[in-house]
Amino acid sequence: DAGITQSPRHKVTETGTPVTLRCHQTENHRYMYWYRQDPGHGLRLIHYSYGVKDTDKGEVSDGYSVSRSKTEDFLLTLESATSSQTSVYFCAISWTSSSYEQYFGPGTRLTVT
Amino acid sequence: QKEVEQDPGPLSVPEGAIVSLNCTYSNSAFQYFMWYRQYSRKGPELLMYTYSSGNKEDGRFTAQVDKSSKYISLFIRDSQPSDSATYLCAVDNDYKLSFGAGTTVTVRA
Repeated sequence: DAGITQSPRHKVTETGTPVTLRCHQTENHRYMYWYRQDPGHGLRLIHYSYGVKDTDKGEVSDGYSVSRSKTEDFLLTLESATSSQTSVYFCAISWTSSSYEQYFGPGTRLTVT
Repeated sequence: QKEVEQDPGPLSVPEGAIVSLNCTYSNSAFQYFMWYRQYSRKGPELLMYTYSSGNKEDGRFTAQVDKSSKYISLFIRDSQPSDSATYLCAVDNDYKLSFGAGTTVTVRA
């Protein structure tokens, strides 16, 4: 998985609790992305980062925040988890802004009960 | 309107058959067209990409882009059980990727 790890790999949490997912890369890639994958929707971009402390929203950013204090780490936080945020979350990295070649992590399966 | 629409499948074919996967896209300004492959419970991996229009071949895989009709295709020749996966088309949308919903393909031995 191209030097990308995600933690935790599985998590079950209750509605209303905060949750933080971590993406760690060893490739020194500048661009990092968070996606969620749901049946019938494919992959949808939540947030992305184009450098340390530089982030922007994707198409499904409501209810999510991100932070990137180091090149290698990109954190996704669900401030108050809801059942609609049950999903598989993927982190991806890219060397350039021409994002056609992205490398994906193994995913985090999150269940909100 | 979604940027990319993909035939939902699923698709089941016998080993050795040709697999044909299709997507349409909405914006004629898109220039990069990608196919990602995703095995069960794994992250997607880039299979092929095409810049602008035309064909690109890589072994048993051929990607086609028809910009006049905004149509993207992937063909898998001599399909193998190891090709069983979900295939996602994607377009480079202003430094971000927009994905189709994915088509799950099963190749029966």
